[in-house]
Order: sequence, then structure tokens, then C-alpha cells
Amino acid sequence: QQQVKQSPQSLIVQKGGIPIINCAYENTAFDYFPWYQQFPGKGPALLIAIRPDVSEKKEGRFTISFNKSAKQFSLHIMDSQPGDSATYFCAASNTGGFKTIFGAGTRLFVKA
Amino acid sequence: EAEVAQSPRYKITEKSQAVAFWCDPISGHATLYWYRQILGQGPELLVQFQDESVVDDSQLPKDRFSAERLKGVDSTLKIQPAELGDSAMYLCASTESSGPYNEQFFGPGTRLTVL
Repeated sequence: QQQVKQSPQSLIVQKGGIPIINCAYENTAFDYFPWYQQFPGKGPALLIAIRPDVSEKKEGRFTISFNKSAKQFSLHIMDSQPGDSATYFCAASNTGGFKTIFGAGTRLFVKA
Repeated sequence: EAEVAQSPRYKITEKSQAVAFWCDPISGHATLYWYRQILGQGPELLVQFQDESVVDDSQLPKDRFSAERLKGVDSTLKIQPAELGDSAMYLCASTESSGPYNEQFFGPGTRLTVL
């Protein structure tokens, strides 16, 4: 019940494409869903986050779509660039004190 | 820009040896986390500190792992004895307070290889 399932494991898109990364959770107590971006040799860095009271959040070229009834959320990267090539992790936590649970990660490669 | 510092960046050791990792969080951050990230997986929480107190160490293998944050600032994670399965990236993160909506700032990690 504490798992966050992330797919795909890896993704290759052309520059300008719109990669989509999906995550699913089971525990309905989760109420905060951040996405982290990790470059090789670096720690993860917060990219964007959403709470379940909204269905979509946009920050620049990054959009989170949230489906509370399906217990799924996804990250869309508009007009993807080679510099977006990194590993992306979805995560879930809650105000009740649950620790942050991370998905397994998606390795994205954007071809120039 | 303030960053979480970790050292060493890389550590190679033989099984049964002791290893220690150090983390200095962003100044003023009361909450500190140690995560283990196995290659190809997401970070998994080992221990969470609020100031100098342990808040959650439920996933810390206490027979061989120990963590301390004596003055509520920097922290040390120790493994003794190291086992082959401990090879992983050990990440430290910090937040201003313990609420889940606070952004976790991660350090660059220590990559441990156990031979």
C-alpha cells in the first residue's frame, strides 16, 4: 500500500516532443505528490509538485496531471530539450507523517 | 546558493569493513534525512532527524547501520560491517521543518562500492 509505481523505466523522444511519465499509488492517505529531476552525479532536485485538490498544475514547460479517482498522476514535458535528459522520480507523502515514497524512476533521453 | 554538503563523494571498501558518511545540511534546516538509492531505483528513507532527535528509523538496518546528529546540525551515517548488498548511493537531504510540503534539498550523495 505504500508503493508508488512509475512507468516507463526509460523513454527516448526527439527534441520538441512531449514525453509523458506515469505514476500510480494505492494509499489514499497520500496528499502531496512531488516530482524530482536527477542528473548523473547529482542528488534529486524538486521540479514541480501537486496536491490532490487540483487536477493540473503547470510550471513553465512542466505539467502535472492528477486523477484522484484513478489514483494516478503524470508528468508532461512540453517542447522537450536535450537538457531535459535526466532521471525523473515521482513521489508521494502526506501530512499525517508518512515518509516520502519515491517511484523507481524514468530515464529520459531527448535526442537533439 | 546554499547546498547540502556530503563527503566523501565516492567510497570503495571491502566487506566487513566499517564506513562512515558525513552530511552538512543547509544552514537553519531542522530536518535531515538519510536515503539509500540502489542503482535503477528511487531513494528509500533510512532515517529522519528533527534537530538532534530521530523521528523515523524504521527502515534502518540497526544491526549494522547507525546514524547520529549530535548537535542538531551535521550528521554521520555509519555502516559496520559493510556487506556486498550495501553498495548504493547514500543521499542526504534537508528541509526547513518536518512538514511534507517542505521542499527536500538533496546533497550530491556518496557512492559506496563494497567489494
